[in-house]
Amino acid sequence: AQKITQTQPGMFVQEKEAVTLDCTYDTSDQSYGLFWYKQPSSGEMIFLIYQGSYDEQNATEGRYSLNFQKARKSANLVISASQLGDSAMYFCAMRGPAAGATNKLIFGTGTLLAVQP
Amino acid sequence: DTAVSQTPKYLVTQMGNDKSIKCEQNLGHDTMYWYKQDSKKFLKIMFSYNNKELIINETVPNRFSPKSPDKAHLNLHINSLELGDSAVYFCASSQLTVSTDTQYFGPGTRLTVL
Repeated sequence: AQKITQTQPGMFVQEKEAVTLDCTYDTSDQSYGLFWYKQPSSGEMIFLIYQGSYDEQNATEGRYSLNFQKARKSANLVISASQLGDSAMYFCAMRGPAAGATNKLIFGTGTLLAVQP
Repeated sequence: DTAVSQTPKYLVTQMGNDKSIKCEQNLGHDTMYWYKQDSKKFLKIMFSYNNKELIINETVPNRFSPKSPDKAHLNLHINSLELGDSAVYFCASSQLTVSTDTQYFGPGTRLTVL
């Protein structure tokens, strides 16, 4: 069975500093996708970044990068130059092979990030 | 333009009532989903439709019935509402044929059962 583990219920970071949010996963699939979503206090779920299991390079999207270590089954999110607007809940998620019934996202329990001025 | 929209945003109702939540996506995606986020913020898949056909049906009480009239719409009808149904319900959509198959979420519907 697939599982996502986020061990940090909450994190603080100073504005303009970088922060790493941890995510480990467990799956027996060879093909899978890893995602990070942001949920601000307003409640919407915002897609941030994607990493495919066969991607050799770490994904980057602006200030977000994904530190993908396949052998360790980890997919940590790095936010560089934190801003006050980054304060939110962050969810790591995984899906199985992109076909039919395995396409569901399995979510971790989330990390609540607070950016301090 | 809103990509995935849901109505209503808030729904407050009495136990035992029947209610529906509507979802529409204008991304041209072929797959739509319903997720439930409980009071501890945990998100779990409920249903998924691909081209109007049900492909994922997790262990959900049969009081919950999804309906997809076309690829762009997925509605959720809930019969005989119970206190435990109080949650935020998210609709999402994706294109199954794209390798990344990123799911884009609607704004959520906060359901409160009194």
